[in-house]
Amino acid sequence: KNEVEQSPQNLTAQEGEFITINCSYSVGISALHWLQQHPGGGIVSLFMLSSGKKKHGRLIATINIQEKHSSLHITASHPRDSAVYICAVDRMEYGNKLVFGAGTILRVKS
Amino acid sequence: DVKVTQSSRYLVKRTGEKVFLECVQDMDHENMFWYRQDPGLGLRLIYFSYDVKMKEKGDIPEGYSVSREKKERFSLILESASTNQTSMYLCASSRDSYTIYFGEGSWLTVV
Repeated sequence: KNEVEQSPQNLTAQEGEFITINCSYSVGISALHWLQQHPGGGIVSLFMLSSGKKKHGRLIATINIQEKHSSLHITASHPRDSAVYICAVDRMEYGNKLVFGAGTILRVKS
Repeated sequence: DVKVTQSSRYLVKRTGEKVFLECVQDMDHENMFWYRQDPGLGLRLIYFSYDVKMKEKGDIPEGYSVSREKKERFSLILESASTNQTSMYLCASSRDSYTIYFGEGSWLTVV
């Protein structure tokens, strides 16, 4: 079993919909990262969380340390949000080495 | 803005060739990483470095080596490229417990 599991693997939404991507992990962590990858390869860090909730524009990320679960929400989705969203955890015993989920492919249709 | 620059965006190399992938970051980060990304497998760590001249193996180091002679530069070396090393390679840098920054990726095809 992978240490970091994301769901769903693929998601198609209509423009304007509220989107949720989930991440569950099975190890102790010092932080969790949400990353965005557009076609062409480059990856951008969206959030780094160790507790609670963070918001940036239409994106909201939450984490529940006790349940080992995090969610990424996109409000009022737009076609430009189409990308791969990747959850990654910073395991306590390995410092800043990340373990990555397989990613969620999001497509937002207009 | 932090910048992580990978020297080559697209490369085509022949089996057996020696391949160098260069990565430079401009934020004085201690940590640098090389990953490869393959469909269905996600990102996998090849090597990482916490300081100049320091390197540690990641999850899939076989067939690769690295060099970090200066803090800002981390090079990935394929000593003898093979077709199963065709992949997208991503460099990243970070300071401990802070945001990680990625380069744009290098698409390597070995024929």
